[in-house]
Amino acid sequence: GAGVSQSPSNKVTEKGKDVELRCDPISGHTALYWYRQSLGQGLEFLIYFQGNSAPDKSGLPSDRFSAERTGGSVSTLTIQRTQQEDSAVYLCASSLVIGGVTEAFFGQGTRLTVV
Amino acid sequence: TQLLEQSPQFLSIQEGENLTVYCNSSSVFSSLQWYRQEPGEGPVLLVTVVTGGEVKKLKRLTFQFGDARKDSSLHITAAQPGDTGLYLCAGPFIWGSNYKLTFGKGTLLTVNP
Repeated sequence: GAGVSQSPSNKVTEKGKDVELRCDPISGHTALYWYRQSLGQGLEFLIYFQGNSAPDKSGLPSDRFSAERTGGSVSTLTIQRTQQEDSAVYLCASSLVIGGVTEAFFGQGTRLTVV
Repeated sequence: TQLLEQSPQFLSIQEGENLTVYCNSSSVFSSLQWYRQEPGEGPVLLVTVVTGGEVKKLKRLTFQFGDARKDSSLHITAAQPGDTGLYLCAGPFIWGSNYKLTFGKGTLLTVNP
């Protein structure tokens, strides 16, 4: 597709279960980001992948959160033993640097609800 | 560390009013961007400013990059309900081959009819 695709669009899970969120970035984009957003709030940075460099995991809130990016393309964010405070919209973005400038393209997000 | 600070955090105005929102940093940026996020959607890029002192206009929106490239402002003239959304500024943090965009917390704008 032409844009960033995230799946599922909505996920309801029981507390304590593991969940996997998927992001298909724009083809050729070397950078990929995951953010978390609570209602009416700004973006909380989670993790950044750039090419073959080691990912910047400085935003992951706990060791229950992990992410991988396979083949420099698709990324999966995994949350283990979900808690109610994990409920939020999880946004993925991809970007490419051209001429010293980059633009982030966002997916529509996955709304996660932990009950 | 929050590199980009946005103010105000919330703004509620009546249709037809003018407004300005701000993005400030203690760091110099090679460029700054403004994004708008509407409810239920991901943020979408509005503009990129790259030169200190640069002013760009997009219909009723005017963007300015500070002379020292540490700050930016967004001015909306005659706001309309369709301008409602979360306005985010972003700048790149560059190290090695990494070019990571850092976002401010945003200004949540509500324009009432």
